[in-house]
Amino acid sequence: DAGVIQSPRHEVTEMGQEVTLRCKPISGHDYLFWYRQTMMRGLELLIYFNNNVPIDDSGMPEDRFSAKMPNASFSTLKIQPSEPRDSAVYFCASSPRARGNQPQHFGDGTRLSIL
Amino acid sequence: EDKVVQSPLSLVVHEGDTVTLNCSYEVTNFRSLLWYKQEKKAPTFLFMLTSSGIEKKSGRLSSILDKKELFSILNITATQTGDSAVYLCAAYAGNNRKLIWGLGTSLAVNP
Repeated sequence: DAGVIQSPRHEVTEMGQEVTLRCKPISGHDYLFWYRQTMMRGLELLIYFNNNVPIDDSGMPEDRFSAKMPNASFSTLKIQPSEPRDSAVYFCASSPRARGNQPQHFGDGTRLSIL
Repeated sequence: EDKVVQSPLSLVVHEGDTVTLNCSYEVTNFRSLLWYKQEKKAPTFLFMLTSSGIEKKSGRLSSILDKKELFSILNITATQTGDSAVYLCAAYAGNNRKLIWGLGTSLAVNP
C-alpha cells in the first residue's frame, strides 16, 4: 500500500517567495495533519483536517500560513511571503477514521530552506 | 499546559547493550501514549499503549505504560547499529486527534 506522499522533497527559495507544499494521504484515511519539525521545538502540529474540513488551526504561526484540502486525496500548505525562520522540515500525516485512538502515519517530509 | 517530557535527550551505547528510554506526561484527559522511531525521514509508528501494566512487544523492542505514575518506558535489548535513531513519544489527550509530542531521545549505537 502506498504511504503518505509529499512533494517536493526539498525546497530552497529566497525570502519573500511563495512556497507550496503538497500532500497525498493514505487512501481511506479521513484525518490529515500538517506538522513542522525543528531542532529547537520538535514536532509542532500546525493544522489538521477531518473529511477535508479544517478542525484545528491553532498551531498555524501567522497569517502567512494557509492550508487547504480540496478533496480527500490532496492537501496543500502554503507560505506567502516566506521568511528565513520558516526553514524547517514539514511533515504531513494521516490516520483512519476508526473509533478510538489511531496512530498517525507520516510522509517523508519536505525540507524547506528560506534564504 | 499539556506536556510530554523524554529522557535522556541523547544516549550513546555499544552494540549488544540494553537501553531504556523514558517518557513522562502531564496531559488533560489522557487517552493513550504512542512511540515512534525516526531515522532520517518520517517518524514510523512502533507502539500505542492505552492500559497500565500491559507490555507491548515487537522483536527486541518492548514498552509499558504506568498511568498512576504518568510515564512510559521503551526498552531495546541487544541493540544493533540499525537501532540508531531518534525515538519520539506522544500522548493523545482530550476529545480530539491532537498528539502532544516530546522532543525525542537520540540514540546512537556504536559497533
